[in-house]
Amino acid sequence: SQQGEEDPQALSIQEGENATMNCSYKTSINNLQWYRQNSGRGLVHLILIRSNEREKHSGRLRVTLDTSKKSSSLLITASRAADTASYFCATVASLLNYGGSQGNLIFGKGTKLSVKP
Amino acid sequence: ETGVTQTPRHLVMGMTNKKSLKCEQHLGHNAMYWYKQSAKKPLELMFVYNFKEQTENNSVPSRFSPECPNSSHLFLHLHTLQPEDSALYLCASSQDLSQFYEQYFGPGTRLTVT
Repeated sequence: SQQGEEDPQALSIQEGENATMNCSYKTSINNLQWYRQNSGRGLVHLILIRSNEREKHSGRLRVTLDTSKKSSSLLITASRAADTASYFCATVASLLNYGGSQGNLIFGKGTKLSVKP
Repeated sequence: ETGVTQTPRHLVMGMTNKKSLKCEQHLGHNAMYWYKQSAKKPLELMFVYNFKEQTENNSVPSRFSPECPNSSHLFLHLHTLQPEDSALYLCASSQDLSQFYEQYFGPGTRLTVT
């Protein structure tokens, strides 16, 4: 299975601190995506990192990818109470009959981040 | 607002009822998805449609019946559900099935089966 597994399952920090979440997966990937979900709502795409990229930034988000270790990390700097949410990594299971260029996202169980004001 | 809407937002139904969930996307996307999210389990892909054609049925019980009349609309018809089917049902869309496109999710329908 290519399912991503996030670590830790839950993280509680103070506003202003940095939050780091990790994701491990089992098989080769072409890209890895991070999503955020506020309680009981839909997921929102945060960032996509391709297998030939090692690091990517978007605002206060920094994502790294280590394909040799089959792992990725999401760093949120200077966290805010509004960052409280669950964060999921997602990898792709290729649809073989589409020549491997297409695929479905496989999500992990997520990290529940709580940022206290 | 992600451009994907779902109705109803909450639904309570008995095990003998028939109901439908609706999803609409205003993004001009060609691929649409149904996911099930249960407590303490990973998000489970149920169905995938691309250009109105079903490309994936992830071993979903027949009491769930999807319908995609056009690229903008997706339905999930429900009948004779079980209490364990209670969950958040999420609809998503993407430009197409390319793995390099992100998915846009609706807010979900919270379903409770009594």
